[in-house]
Amino acid sequence: AQKITQTQPGMFVQEKEAVTLDCTYDTSDQSYGLFWYKQPSSGEMIFLIYQGSYDEQNATEGRYSLNFQKARKSANLVISASQLGDSAMYFCASSGGSYIPTFGRGTSLIVHP
Amino acid sequence: SQTIHQWPATLVQPVGSPLSLECTVEGTSNPNLYWYRQAAGRGLQLLFYSVGIGQISSEVPQNLSASRPQDRQFILSSKKLLLSDSGFYLCAWSRTGEGYEQYFGPGTRLTVT
Repeated sequence: AQKITQTQPGMFVQEKEAVTLDCTYDTSDQSYGLFWYKQPSSGEMIFLIYQGSYDEQNATEGRYSLNFQKARKSANLVISASQLGDSAMYFCASSGGSYIPTFGRGTSLIVHP
Repeated sequence: SQTIHQWPATLVQPVGSPLSLECTVEGTSNPNLYWYRQAAGRGLQLLFYSVGIGQISSEVPQNLSASRPQDRQFILSSKKLLLSDSGFYLCAWSRTGEGYEQYFGPGTRLTVT
């Protein structure tokens, strides 16, 4: 079984600054994937970034990077140069040897102008 | 490229009425398909998933059912809606196999009155 913990229910950041959203995971799988999704107020869930458990380098997608620390079982999302459009709910998820991913409860990010 | 369609976008139904939500995926074959429900301000609850035509797995006992009559079509149904069925319903797909990222449809906001 897998468990995802997102301890920050809400985060605030100033426009153009960087922000880190925390995610810790617990899994007994040797091979697993870690994901981040963005859910704006429209409701659609948007896949942002993926990190495989055997990837040695942190994943990067544009302004998004995943700070993967395997020993600490953390997979924090870093958003650089925040924009107003980054205001949304962010969900961390993991998937091991299963068709079913496990999602965290989400973090609400508000970007102030 | 792959796209996922979900309809209707919004729905208001009286208690005891039937429900049919449809989801179709284009541009891929034999996807894994998922139905989630999200209560206001809450995380995702997996309702059903399917790894092939006619193969449905239920995660949560409820008065909902799902069917997959074609490879890229996933339908969520109910014979009699309850007030507690209100919520935001999301369909998602992922590539064949385990542990891949999911891509979500735009969602259906269901209000049962």
